[in-house]
Formats: sequence, structure tokens, C-alpha cells
Amino acid sequence: TQLLEQSPQFLSIQEGENLTVYCNSSSVFSSLQWYRQEPGEGPVLLVTVVTGGEVKKLKRLTFQFGDARKDSSLHITAAQPGDTGLYLCAGPSGGSYIPTFGRGTSLIVHP
Amino acid sequence: SAVISQKPSRDICQRGTSLTIQCQVDSQVTMMFWYRQQPGQSLTLIATANQGSEATYESGFVIDKFPISRPNLTFSTLTVSNMSPEDSSIYLCSGVDSSEAFFGQGTRLTVV
Repeated sequence: TQLLEQSPQFLSIQEGENLTVYCNSSSVFSSLQWYRQEPGEGPVLLVTVVTGGEVKKLKRLTFQFGDARKDSSLHITAAQPGDTGLYLCAGPSGGSYIPTFGRGTSLIVHP
Repeated sequence: SAVISQKPSRDICQRGTSLTIQCQVDSQVTMMFWYRQQPGQSLTLIATANQGSEATYESGFVIDKFPISRPNLTFSTLTVSNMSPEDSSIYLCSGVDSSEAFFGQGTRLTVV
């Protein structure tokens, strides 16, 4: 099973601050997905990155896939309370389509 | 992406009883999974729900405790059997399409 190490595990910041969440592995992934989960809901897909070095932007969120496709980052600019949630990275495990999930980053943005 | 309707959204159950969780997808999905999640933590895969055959369970999970049905490509159920307080958790069903997962809303189970 390919493992995804996610850091930090917890993050508590003030509104307006910037932050970066990291997702690292020793294995190459054909793609990585980022999800956000709010309390009482299932995870919701934010983005999929496929190409090494790829950068995708979703409003104030910037996602990057490492050149070697072993790591990814999520950067949030000017965080808002609505960004509060659990952020999960995931990728297909081995040759299957079964997603492997990182341990998650729990983000709280205080107004 | 497809939409999964999961129910119940929450339940409080007596120990020793069983609860069946249902997931209905609005389109046919090849792969469906069941996960368990402690609040604020990552997902632990329970099993892959196979259409028309027995589910494939991960280490630490057995069919007698978590029987799963998948009669067709749009529906699956997970039963938590003979519940104990240690089974209190969030249970999520998921489908996968082109490596991207989509989830039901989750079932928050409390066993008392």
C-alpha cells in the first residue's frame, strides 16, 4: 500500500492568514486528489492533479503536484472562516483505483 | 460527478443490536467502498463492495461484523452487527470514477 504523509495534522489560524498543507509519499502516484470535509458531511473533491509540476488554482486555493509526482501541496491565501474543515489528500493505491488517503489536516480559521 | 444519498444520517443504538446503512447512487458506479472515520481524522477502509458477490474486506474487518450487500451498480448497504460502544464512529460510503472519489453524507453512529 502506498502511504501518504500529510502535514500539519492540525492548524489553527486567524482570518486573513496564509497557510500551506503538504502531502508527501515515497511512491509515485499517477494522480492526487484533494478533498475538503466539513463537519457532518462527506469529503468533497476540490481538485485532481495529474501532471508532474502541475499547478491548479481554485479561487484562493492553489494546488501543486511535485515534479516527481510523489508530493503535493495546498496553499490557501487570506484564509476565511468558511475554509474551516478537514483537508485530505488521496491517490490511487498501486495498480488499483482504491484511493489511499492521507491522515488529514484539520484547519480552523478564527474570525 | 455522481451523487450518493446515504441514510440514516445519524443514529443512537443500544449495544447488541444491529444497524443497516444504505447508499443510493444516482448513476451506475463500478466501484463502491465503505469507510469508517473518527471525527476529525482520516478514513479507514472497511471493504470494497462488489456487485453480485461477497465484499472484499480490509485487515481488521470481517463479514460477520460488517456484512455488506451490493445487489446492483447503484445501491449498497453496510450492516454494523452486534454493536458495542467501540463501534461508535462515522460510516461513509463512496464511489470512485476515474480515480476520483465521491461520498455519501456519512452516518454518525453512537452506541450506548
